[in-house]
Amino acid sequence: DAGVTQSPTHLIKTRGQQVTLRCSPKSGHDTVSWYQQALGQGPQFIFQYYEEEERQRGNFPDRFSGHQFPNYSSELNVNALLLGDSALYLCASSFTLGSTDTQYFGPGTRLTVL
Amino acid sequence: AQSVTQLGSHVSVSEGALVLLRCNYSSSVPPYLFWYVQYPNQGLQLLLKYTTGATLVKGINGFEAEFKKSETSFHLTKPSAHMSDAAEYFCAVSGETSYDKVIFGPGTSLSVIP
Repeated sequence: DAGVTQSPTHLIKTRGQQVTLRCSPKSGHDTVSWYQQALGQGPQFIFQYYEEEERQRGNFPDRFSGHQFPNYSSELNVNALLLGDSALYLCASSFTLGSTDTQYFGPGTRLTVL
Repeated sequence: AQSVTQLGSHVSVSEGALVLLRCNYSSSVPPYLFWYVQYPNQGLQLLLKYTTGATLVKGINGFEAEFKKSETSFHLTKPSAHMSDAAEYFCAVSGETSYDKVIFGPGTSLSVIP
């Protein structure tokens, strides 16, 4: 049973560009949450997707957007990249009818903005 | 609103010594509490969690934590440190449904001295 997978592993972009990160949830999970982890800090909640809609959002600008597909996989899009967007982006999946303790994290995508 | 503080951004212990990582939380609702470990260039791994019931929680790799409501604390301990325990540790809090985002503390970096 594959866990949460994320692609790509690493990504280098320049300021002003746009980026798309991808996440495949653990089998049987229908909810995907995205987190940003800046260097030396704890992860910060970006948003959560369920039934192809954004259900909850953290304190991030509209440059951060997402999408969930019918197979529950998800994308995180960031437009107009800033140097401060450099971080590890973590995806976590869970099953909505379960409790929060069933949230599983992927290995992350390391984004570097130059 | 929920928040987490972790006292000590860096903790060093000798191999075989007691590990104590401190976590205090703030929550307006009964919290779910978590400890995660992150090894270099990897994602988050759940060490243990408190949901309801017994306040002393045992996790993987010999770690345990005790939920103390009166002190709003959830400190992580291990009787004897091993070199392989060197990593970043994050305390986190959430509400009791998968709707609830997970709020992470800033992390504590644990070094183990041979």
